[in-house]
Amino acid sequence: DTEVTQTPKHLVMGMTNKKSLKCEQHMGHRAMYWYKQKAKKPPELMFVYSYEKLSINESVPSRFSPECPNSSLLNLHLHALQPEDSALYLCASSRGQGADGKNIQYFGAGTRLSVL
Amino acid sequence: QKEVEQDPGPLSVPEGAIVSLNCTYSNSAFQYFMWYRQYSRKGPELLMYTYSSGNKEDGRFTAQVDKSSKYISLFIRDSQPSDSATYLCAMSGIYNFNKFYFGSGTKLNVKP
Repeated sequence: DTEVTQTPKHLVMGMTNKKSLKCEQHMGHRAMYWYKQKAKKPPELMFVYSYEKLSINESVPSRFSPECPNSSLLNLHLHALQPEDSALYLCASSRGQGADGKNIQYFGAGTRLSVL
Repeated sequence: QKEVEQDPGPLSVPEGAIVSLNCTYSNSAFQYFMWYRQYSRKGPELLMYTYSSGNKEDGRFTAQVDKSSKYISLFIRDSQPSDSATYLCAMSGIYNFNKFYFGSGTKLNVKP
């Protein structure tokens, strides 16, 4: 099973709302990622969690707040977003170990976010 | 200079054609190479994975890595209209293996 599950699939929110995106994997992966993808562009890295600790924050605005409650779950809390934050938000996971030649990243189907 | 370069296309071919998609990269530390297929408004789906150099074949798909030239390729044989999608290459290195670098994606259209 190489499945990464994201909920919800679609989300519409106003600029004053607070919402959360959720991501789950059961592959035993110890690295989990949030990406933002705009139309006709590649995924843009936002955050990386490694062994449930935040290891990379690509200078993301504080209105995006990640959380990793355990090794299988990843959340992205959203607050006071702007219309330009409308995008496809992708979660991904990987083993987090490079020594055995299997550093593969698997993606979820994404959450399509619209900020009004 | 970007870490990974990929021609954005679009690439339009007739059904049954052999398709060649390519990426070049600049970081000699990259060891893990992936190709993803992404349909419109969907998440990227892993197609092929190669560690270090060499070729790998899976059905109609063949992935090649030439580390001496810093060049990777994906070949699709007997292309089908259902192969119409954007193809993304991605890679990571042995020192910072939690950071993946993506090409810009090539949009492929296979005409019936």
